[in-house]
Amino acid sequence: KAGVTQTPRYLIKTRGQQVTLSCSPISGHRSVSWYQQTPGQGLQFLFEYFSETQRNKGNFPGRFSGRQFSNSRSEMNVSTLELGDSALYLCASSSSRQGAVDEQFFGPGTRLTVL
Amino acid sequence: DQQVKQNSPSLSVQEGRISILNCDYTNSMFDYFLWYKKYPAEGPTFLISISSIKDKNEDGRFTVFLNKSAKHLSLHIVPSQPGDSAVYFCAASGIGAGNMLTFGGGTRLMVKP
Repeated sequence: KAGVTQTPRYLIKTRGQQVTLSCSPISGHRSVSWYQQTPGQGLQFLFEYFSETQRNKGNFPGRFSGRQFSNSRSEMNVSTLELGDSALYLCASSSSRQGAVDEQFFGPGTRLTVL
Repeated sequence: DQQVKQNSPSLSVQEGRISILNCDYTNSMFDYFLWYKKYPAEGPTFLISISSIKDKNEDGRFTVFLNKSAKHLSLHIVPSQPGDSAVYFCAASGIGAGNMLTFGGGTRLMVKP
């Protein structure tokens, strides 16, 4: 099975711009979660999508949004970028049962740099 | 306020010896705990997990111990191998929270040949 893929792998943007990151889960996985990793805050949960619906949401401002398509692929969008948004954005997929904790398979991440 | 803490940022161990990585949590609603390993330029990889109804779970060289009264868990790797050198994260999930994980800050393990 192919693993979780994320595109692009690296991205440079300037403050005020917006960015869209893409994640393709493992075939058959219906849950996609997004995490932000920074040196100061570590790995933080952004949101989880399951069957095109947001199932869980972390404590991030509304500038961070996401969506999931019918083929389970997911995108996350960050609008009005700030310097502090520079981070590694990780996507994880799982087969997931409602309310259960499943083994999540992580992609390699997208490294976003905001100048 | 960090709900999951890994107080040792790094750990160095000799090959063949035991590696013990520790994790503390503060949220009593956490009921499921996981350990992930991360190599540079790769995403985290799941290692082992434990439910709050257990106090020990074993998988090969990896054993996780949970002490609920102390809100403490540890990962034991025996014997340690150079390929185990990586950053290890503990993570926790609350009751009904499913895949919404809260991660610790990570511990960098270096296993010396």
